[in-house]
Amino acid sequence: QKEVEQDPGPLSVPEGAIVSLNCTYSNSAFQYFMWYRQYSRKGPELLMYTYSSGNKEDGRFTAQVDKSSKYISLFIRDSQPSDSATYLCAMNMYTGNQFYFGTGTSLTVIP
Amino acid sequence: DVKVTQSSRYLVKRTGEKVFLECVQDMDHENMFWYRQDPGLGLRLIYFSYDVKMKEKGDIPEGYSVSREKKERFSLILESASTNQTSMYLCASRDRGQFTEAFFGQGTRLTVV
Repeated sequence: QKEVEQDPGPLSVPEGAIVSLNCTYSNSAFQYFMWYRQYSRKGPELLMYTYSSGNKEDGRFTAQVDKSSKYISLFIRDSQPSDSATYLCAMNMYTGNQFYFGTGTSLTVIP
Repeated sequence: DVKVTQSSRYLVKRTGEKVFLECVQDMDHENMFWYRQDPGLGLRLIYFSYDVKMKEKGDIPEGYSVSREKKERFSLILESASTNQTSMYLCASRDRGQFTEAFFGQGTRLTVV
């Protein structure tokens, strides 16, 4: 079993839709939870991170963590064509250098 | 503006060749990483380094080696390239600390023929 599982999609939604992206994990030692966005032919860039259960909001993006269920989500409100990218969840432990990545979800927002 | 720079965007090499992928960061980060990214498999860690001349194996180190002679530079070496090493290779760096952001290079698309 992989440590981090992510639905690969692809996901295709109309402009303005609410998008929900999800990951589950198995290791309860994970303390930091991140979402990276990767545009085509580019490296991933950090979108949001959080280290506690609950919600964190940044503009149209909300990151949600439920440690009891080992489940994290990223919500995108009022999705835009510029949101079309691959979204990768990532996690790491309180100590340790390594990030553990999901496989990524490909999102296309249709104008 | 922080930067991780990979020496090549695209490379085509022949089976059996020794291949060097170079990565340079300008942020004075201690930690540097090499990943490969394949469809359906996501990012898989090959090697990482937490200091000059220090290295740790990741999840898929077979067929690869690394070198870190200077803090800013981390090289990935394919000792004898094979077709199953055709992939996107991503370099990343992070500062030390409990949580610090990982910054990625733009990636090198390697094709082994």
